[in-house]
Amino acid sequence: DAGVIQSPRHEVTEMGQEVTLRCKPISGHDYLFWYRQTMMRGLELLIYFNNNVPIDDSGMPEDRFSAKMPNASFSTLKIQPSEPRDSAVYFCASSFGTDTQYFGPGTRLTVL
Amino acid sequence: KNEVEQSPQNLTAQEGEFITINCSYSVGISALHWLQQHPGGGIVSLFMLSSGKKKHGRLIATINIQEKHSSLHITASHPRDSAVYICAVRNNDMRFGAGTRLTVKP
Repeated sequence: DAGVIQSPRHEVTEMGQEVTLRCKPISGHDYLFWYRQTMMRGLELLIYFNNNVPIDDSGMPEDRFSAKMPNASFSTLKIQPSEPRDSAVYFCASSFGTDTQYFGPGTRLTVL
Repeated sequence: KNEVEQSPQNLTAQEGEFITINCSYSVGISALHWLQQHPGGGIVSLFMLSSGKKKHGRLIATINIQEKHSSLHITASHPRDSAVYICAVRNNDMRFGAGTRLTVKP
């Protein structure tokens, strides 16, 4: 398997624009996690899905953030409208049950 | 007080030294993870523990559920071990420690 795939790897956008981050989990994994990492706050869990259903979105910062998982092989994290404070590295990870999580390479987002 | 505390925050060692990184947590957990993040930013899961001890190569991880404490040990450290090591605990969600930045000098 190619591992967890994220796209784009880098995104630079202007404040107010919509940003969509994409993730393809490892085939067969039933859990998918979205994380954000900043210098100030470290790694934070934003939301996670089990069998495509959102289980806990309490880490989503505000209504500008939304995440979907339309099928077992694809998930998106959308920010609309984006703000400079959203600049961070966003990681997607997947796991089978509560086993080891496999992380994607991350998307580095810069909002100007 | 953070729910997951790591120590030390920064650690510099000479090649060959034995390294210990500690993690204490205050919440109930189903598992504890040790992650490694290299300077390039990629994150690799090293261990997932719910009890006892695991070993992989020069890395050893232990957990004491009663004391809510885990340690990550690196034997015969090498400059390529230089990275940030992050402790994370899982119950329904994931909580992360702030990380320990390890630098191993040749």
